[in-house]
Amino acid sequence: GAVVSQHPSRVICKSGTSVKIECRSLDFQATTMFWYRQFPKQSLMLMATSNEGSKATYEQGVEKDKFLINHASLTLSTLTVTSAHPEDSSFYICSAPQGSLNTGELFFGEGSRLTVL
Amino acid sequence: GIQVEQSPPDLILQEGANSTLRCNFSDSVNNLQWFHQNPWGQLINLFYIPSGTKQNGRLSATTVATERYSLLYISSSQTTDSGVYFCAQSNYGGSQGNLIFGKGTKLSVKP
Repeated sequence: GAVVSQHPSRVICKSGTSVKIECRSLDFQATTMFWYRQFPKQSLMLMATSNEGSKATYEQGVEKDKFLINHASLTLSTLTVTSAHPEDSSFYICSAPQGSLNTGELFFGEGSRLTVL
Repeated sequence: GIQVEQSPPDLILQEGANSTLRCNFSDSVNNLQWFHQNPWGQLINLFYIPSGTKQNGRLSATTVATERYSLLYISSSQTTDSGVYFCAQSNYGGSQGNLIFGKGTKLSVKP
């Protein structure tokens, strides 16, 4: 199956700093990628849709100025958590559809575990 | 919006037993997937199954789109099957393509 890779897998930062997470589609192009967040013992919640060459669309309640998304190429989307606080500590996972956006199977990266001290 | 409900929320099995996990969804389906989340958090694609039946080794899945449910069967369970199983359905109000996840079934297989 398709491969989606995230980096870093784990990051610990101090409160107030910014953290960048990269999501790459390794063997296919993705004009759209999705960013999810998962808190401990909970399900995955969609944060935003990353669109290549245009602005990301954010789900209700997700602060676009805090979670900056850039989709500069057909294989790379980045999520930057700006001025991180302890409540931003979570597991962040990206995904990309292989094939048609409407019917394509979604593949997920390994996830990035963020801990804000 | 779309709602995805999974049952049971928790399941404990003895190694070698069979199990059925259920996923009910509230809207017509264009994409339905089953995942296994391993202890490190990675989501492993099990099935892409908007309709019909598929099998992969000891796992199989069936989606009955007209009745809005999907089933995941695990036969001869092994301890390595432990983890959380998620069902997820596409959210279509246009061409969004993103998946809406259920709350998962936590499976524990005891030796």
